[in-house]
Amino acid sequence: EPEVTQTPSHQVTQMGQEVILRCVPISNHLYFYWYRQILGQKVEFLVSFYNNEISEKSEIFDDQFSVERPDGSNFTLKIRSTKLEDSAMYFCASSESNTGRNQPQHFGDGTRLSIL
Amino acid sequence: GNSVTQMEGPVTLSEEAFLTINCTYTATGYPSLFWYVQYPGEGLQLLLKATKADDKGSNKGFEATYRKETTSFHLEKGSVQVSDSAVYFCASRSGGGADGLTFGKGTHLIIQP
Repeated sequence: EPEVTQTPSHQVTQMGQEVILRCVPISNHLYFYWYRQILGQKVEFLVSFYNNEISEKSEIFDDQFSVERPDGSNFTLKIRSTKLEDSAMYFCASSESNTGRNQPQHFGDGTRLSIL
Repeated sequence: GNSVTQMEGPVTLSEEAFLTINCTYTATGYPSLFWYVQYPGEGLQLLLKATKADDKGSNKGFEATYRKETTSFHLEKGSVQVSDSAVYFCASRSGGGADGLTFGKGTHLIIQP
């Protein structure tokens, strides 16, 4: 069964540094998402991406965050100047197009980001 | 905006016990509802879904019915196994294909042999 893959599984970064989290969505999917889960808290929506642009973003997704689909397979989340509170598990997800809210989102295993 | 509330864990049961994990939602319009499961060290996997009132989602012996009158989507299983030990997340989604999921806090289920 096709799956969403994320790399790296664990990223350790110094505060203030830039970090890029990488995702390869399922190949025929057209909607892409990032979520985060701070330890002990709920999974929170960050951003959705379709047709090479952001479709929706939450209030968490401020100017320090950006997303990009640099080629036909990768989908990246960049955090420009990391803060301690960015430490979390980051999940990438993808879904098929057309029937909207009924389509399930398929998640990767996540990248654990630790900011020192 | 949307919100999802589910029962706090951990929930500890013996093998073959009956399971209920409560989930209620608030949303504008008629959301789709989902249960995701996260096994140790893994990502979120879709367990089941329901897209309209009175729909019943089912998978791997788990069931949940979309109850519009009580705004609930409780997860049930008649006889749990040790392998069901995981964290279970209830989620809702409104609108079009780009809309993000709104998750509950997750319920950690522990099944003892």
